[in-house]
Amino acid sequence: KNEVEQSPQNLTAQEGEFITINCSYSVGISALHWLQQHPGGGIVSLFMLSSGKKKHGRLIATINIQEKHSSLHITASHPRDSAVYICAVGRRGSNYKLTFGKGTLLTVNP
Amino acid sequence: KAGVTQTPRYLIKTRGQQVTLSCSPISGHRSVSWYQQTPGQGLQFLFEYFSETQRNKGNFPGRFSGRQFSNSRSEMNVSTLELGDSALYLCASSPLGGAGDQPQHFGDGTRLSIL
Repeated sequence: KNEVEQSPQNLTAQEGEFITINCSYSVGISALHWLQQHPGGGIVSLFMLSSGKKKHGRLIATINIQEKHSSLHITASHPRDSAVYICAVGRRGSNYKLTFGKGTLLTVNP
Repeated sequence: KAGVTQTPRYLIKTRGQQVTLSCSPISGHRSVSWYQQTPGQGLQFLFEYFSETQRNKGNFPGRFSGRQFSNSRSEMNVSTLELGDSALYLCASSPLGGAGDQPQHFGDGTRLSIL
């Protein structure tokens, strides 16, 4: 079993819909990261969080440390949000490396 | 401020050759991490450097090595290339150490194809 599991693997939505991507992990962590990767490869860091909730524009990330679970929400989705969203964790006691989920491919249709 | 720069962007090699990839971090960033991304395995951690010292290494064979220079630029080397080494190689930098609990700034990657 992977240490970081994401669901769903693929998600198709209509423009304007509310989107949720989930991430579960099985190890103690120092922080959890949400990353966005567009076709072509470049990765952008969206959030890094170790507790609570963070918001940036239409994106919201939450984490529940006790349940070892995080969610990424996108409100009023837009076709430009189409990308792969990747969850990654920094393991407690091994802060020099990230362990990644397999990613969620999001397609937002106009 | 310039972002993380990786060179070259694309590279084609044949089995048995070796390759060196370069990463220039954001000015002032002292930590550089390297990752391999393949369709089958996804993103995997290769190694992390801070102030010219490798502090952690992922589960890759000894053919994968790296180093960091005093100006924080980093190189990774893969010797005796195999078909399975075809991948996108990404580096990321952060101001302080610790890829796990520091925001990571990624480069655009080097796409390596092995023939």
